[in-house]
Amino acid sequence: GAVVSQHPSRVICKSGTSVKIECRSLDFQATTMFWYRQFPKQSLMLMATSNEGSKATYEQGVEKDKFLINHASLTLSTLTVTSAHPEDSSFYICSADEQGPQETQYFGPGTRLLVL
Amino acid sequence: AQSVTQLDSQVPVFEEAPVELRCNYSSSVSVYLFWYVQYPNQGLQLLLKYLSGSTLVKGINGFEAEFNKSQTSFHLRKPSVHISDTAEYFCAVRGKLQFGAGTQVVVTP
Repeated sequence: GAVVSQHPSRVICKSGTSVKIECRSLDFQATTMFWYRQFPKQSLMLMATSNEGSKATYEQGVEKDKFLINHASLTLSTLTVTSAHPEDSSFYICSADEQGPQETQYFGPGTRLLVL
Repeated sequence: AQSVTQLDSQVPVFEEAPVELRCNYSSSVSVYLFWYVQYPNQGLQLLLKYLSGSTLVKGINGFEAEFNKSQTSFHLRKPSVHISDTAEYFCAVRGKLQFGAGTQVVVTP
């Protein structure tokens, strides 16, 4: 089956620093990738849709300058949390479309971010 | 617009007993429905999906779900659960994937 990886799995950083999270589709090409945020005991909240070679589409209420997304290739999308603050601490999960918008999204294992 | 409602936030169940997790959806377009499972501190794993065809869908780990268009439901079932089935389960509907709030299944021996 389709595999999506994320790196790092866990990161702790100081307030004010920037953190980059990578999302890779390992055995398929993904023209579209998605970034989600999940708070404890809650569902996933879609942050943005990342399309290869174009600007990401952000959901309402998500600061694009705060959460920078780059989708430079068909197998890699990155999310950079800029000038992180404690309230950015969360579980970030990416997913990738296997084939087009109607097919299955496969999810990465998630990245736990803790900002001190 | 599309949305998903999971009617139970938590379902306690004894080992080897059956379990049903309820999911209702609303959609104004063609429906593509999914069930995902999330184990603690992990990403989501696809259990099964309905895109078209047979309304009874079989997935991994002995789970199955039935698409009911008239009741706009896609309930997930397993006839006999294991301790290892303790997890969070999410129902989702496409185009842009919309998740339900999740159902926590707690299996006790």
